[in-house]
Parts: sequence; C-alpha cells; structure tokens
Amino acid sequence: QSALTQPASVSGSPGQSITISCTGTSSDVGGYNYVSWYQQHPGKAPKLMIYDVSKRPSGVSNRFSGSKSGNTASLTISGLQAEDEADYYCSSYTSGAGVFGGGTKLTVL
Amino acid sequence: QVQLVESGGAVVQPGRSLRLSCTTSGFTFSSYGFHWVRQAPGKGLECVAVIWYDGSNKYYADSVKGRFTVSRDNSKNTLYLQMNSLRAEDTAVYYCARDSGTYVMDVWGQGTTVTVSS
Repeated sequence: QSALTQPASVSGSPGQSITISCTGTSSDVGGYNYVSWYQQHPGKAPKLMIYDVSKRPSGVSNRFSGSKSGNTASLTISGLQAEDEADYYCSSYTSGAGVFGGGTKLTVL
Repeated sequence: QVQLVESGGAVVQPGRSLRLSCTTSGFTFSSYGFHWVRQAPGKGLECVAVIWYDGSNKYYADSVKGRFTVSRDNSKNTLYLQMNSLRAEDTAVYYCARDSGTYVMDVWGQGTTVTVSS
C-alpha cells in the first residue's frame, strides 16, 4: 500500500487560513468516506483532529475542518494560532491495514 | 480515564524476536479494534497491523507480513505485537491506538521504542 501524498510543508501567519491536501486513489481516499487527520507535536503521540472526512471529535476546535473531492482530501485550519504548529498526517481506510500520508509540517510564521 | 500504555520496547539484534504489549484501562476493551502504528526516527507514521474487536480479522502492512503477528487477550485488556526476524528497518517508536469507528484512531499510547542493531 503506497503512502498517501501530502505536501512536505505549509506555512501561514497567525490569523490566516491554510489547507493541507492528501491525495490517494480510488482504493483508499476516493473509495471510502473514512479519511482521518492527526496532529503530532514533536516527541508526542498523534492526536485525532478529523475523522470520517469532516467530523470533529469532542474537544477539537472548530477552526479545524475537513473535506474531500474525488481522490483528494483536505484539512483546513482557520485563524491560525502558534500552537497549531505541528506535523499533520492524513489517514484512510483500506481493505488492508490502512494507510497514512507522508506528513506535512505546518509552520506558523 | 481512558489509557493505553505500551511496553516491551528494547534494543535487539537483527534476526531476533520481541513482543510488545499495550495495556489498556478505562473502557470496555472487547468492544474495540486496535492498531499498531510505527514511526521510524525522523519519518512519518506507518500502519503496521490492525485487529478487529473480536479478533476475527487481522491485517498487516506488506513490510511486516509473515514476520509480525497481532493478537489480543480480552481477559487481560491487553493487545500484543509479536515481532520476529527483526530488521534494521523495523527500528521505530511503536504506538498502539484504539479504533472507535472505521480506522478512526481516537486514543493513542505514548509509544515504546524498538531499536534493531548489532
């Protein structure tokens, strides 16, 4: 199972919005509405931010939103804050063990 | 509170075996599936294995298929990952994660480090 494709890095200033893309195939992202997004700060375990493409777990800020079109899913963070600086990973259900994207480093300028 | 705690990580020589454990508390273990996810130093996340809530289905990454085995003991609320024929490329932090939906990893452990080196 090949990793999903994410940009290596994105950046934005506080208060701005950014979008991270996650491109797969019809066997993963495009085939199911089971895309999740995880935030990982250095030395910490990942944290679930979005699941089932666009649902937010309890406790996650509504500044985080998700969407999907075809084989590409997207995570949008609005009103960027310093604490949003982290690595972000998308993940999709597959018929096997599942697959992650390569990760995107978000820098808040 | 809901908690997952991994253990068993160590420094091992290539070709040797190791068993990781993930001890859970704060929820009904038998109602959930679980994932093992690893992260090599400076690299991204990789799905290693998944096991259904009742153990009826297990899936593995191609990179570990035939060498790793995921299992669970519902009486001990514990998840396991038996790793055989270890290779240098298996060096990573190994996380266990609870699945609350369809591959929705909603709770994660703190990770345990496996280093394969001679």
